[in-house]
Amino acid sequence: NAGVTQTPKFRVLKTGQSMTLLCAQDMNHEYMYWYRQDPGMGLRLIHYSVGEGTTAKGEVPDGYNVSRLKKQNFLLGLESAAPSQTSVYFCASSLAGGDHNEQFFGPGTRLTVL
Amino acid sequence: RKEVEQDPGPFNVPEGATVAFNCTYSNSASQSFFWYRQDCRKEPKLLMSVYSSGNEDGRFTAQLNRASQYISLLIRDSKLSDSATYLCVVGNTGGFKTIFGAGTRLFVKA
Repeated sequence: NAGVTQTPKFRVLKTGQSMTLLCAQDMNHEYMYWYRQDPGMGLRLIHYSVGEGTTAKGEVPDGYNVSRLKKQNFLLGLESAAPSQTSVYFCASSLAGGDHNEQFFGPGTRLTVL
Repeated sequence: RKEVEQDPGPFNVPEGATVAFNCTYSNSASQSFFWYRQDCRKEPKLLMSVYSSGNEDGRFTAQLNRASQYISLLIRDSKLSDSATYLCVVGNTGGFKTIFGAGTRLFVKA
């Protein structure tokens, strides 16, 4: 099992460009999440999905869109990148929600917006 | 005030030492508590869940104090391989609103 994979691993964008980050999991997990991690701050939830075809906003959704057309994939889109979106992006998945549910993380995507 | 607060450290300890981290949370309705470990430039991984009665996993002991709204992690007999950032994680009802602390850095030296 590969677990949770993310592509690309690194990307540099210019302000205003768009891109899509792909997350894939092979654990048949229902729930998937996108976080961003910035220095001195904890992981912040951007969007999440509780199942195929569903998405919901997290703590910091502005400037991002997501889609979950297939259970195993969760895409994060930046329509018009801004320097404030320079960050490390982590995708995670979990079997379900709930109180004792472990989240499994991908290796991260390091994005720089110039 | 942040929802989950941790001392960023760093904690510099010699091998074999015992070290403890605390984490405070602001939402008294929080239902679930975890410690994750994150190595430099890597993804977070679950270290252990924290249960109301406290729990132990080898050299690691986690405690929850609901009255004072903090959780703790104790590491005994520190190893070089324990060097990492430890993330305190608090979950609220439904499990979606999971709040991550900014982490406490630990360096264990020979």
